[in-house]
Amino acid sequence: GENVEQHPSTLSVQEGDSAVIKCTYSDSASNYFPWYKQELGKGPQLIIDIRSNVGEKKDQRIAVTLNKTAKHFSLHITETQPEDSAVYFCAARYGSGNTGKLIFGQGTTLQVKP
Amino acid sequence: GAVVSQHPSRVICKSGTSVKIECRSLDFQATTMFWYRQFPKQSLMLMATSNEGSKATYEQGVEKDKFLINHASLTLSTLTVTSAHPEDSSFYICSAYRANQPQHFGDGTRLSIL
Repeated sequence: GENVEQHPSTLSVQEGDSAVIKCTYSDSASNYFPWYKQELGKGPQLIIDIRSNVGEKKDQRIAVTLNKTAKHFSLHITETQPEDSAVYFCAARYGSGNTGKLIFGQGTTLQVKP
Repeated sequence: GAVVSQHPSRVICKSGTSVKIECRSLDFQATTMFWYRQFPKQSLMLMATSNEGSKATYEQGVEKDKFLINHASLTLSTLTVTSAHPEDSSFYICSAYRANQPQHFGDGTRLSIL
């Protein structure tokens, strides 16, 4: 079945350093890739997303890159801050249609040390 | 971003009780709502897809008679866990979706069955 692999499962960085989380997907028809941040006891919050017609998107300290040929996409957080500490999930929309159904990666627990 | 309200945030009840969880899309009309289940330190597992005015579509392995879903309007979907048992204890999260828009999540319901 369709699958999204996410690495690493845990990531610890020093405040101010950059953090990179990588995902690969299996459905070549996927055309939409959101990233969510989940804090303890809360629902996931959308932080950035990218569609398959672009290779990179940036929003302040957060950027996402997409390589459709290799079926890879990555989240880059620069100048990390302690409040960036959370669990991050990548996702890929299932199929090329507009059903909205997402396949999630396993999650990355990011710890930013002050 | 869009606001999705989920209620209650926490439920503790006895085995055999049925529990209803509400998911409301507060600022947009959601043609589709999704229901997820999340175990500690794990990813989101899609349980069912709910389209307004039609029967929900359940993922493989999810019992439709156990997890009743109603989507009576474009802003409200409910999940009822019938005759809940301790193994049903989990974090249940809903999300709201409209075509060409990101999927937005509620803050989840922590269900504990004693």
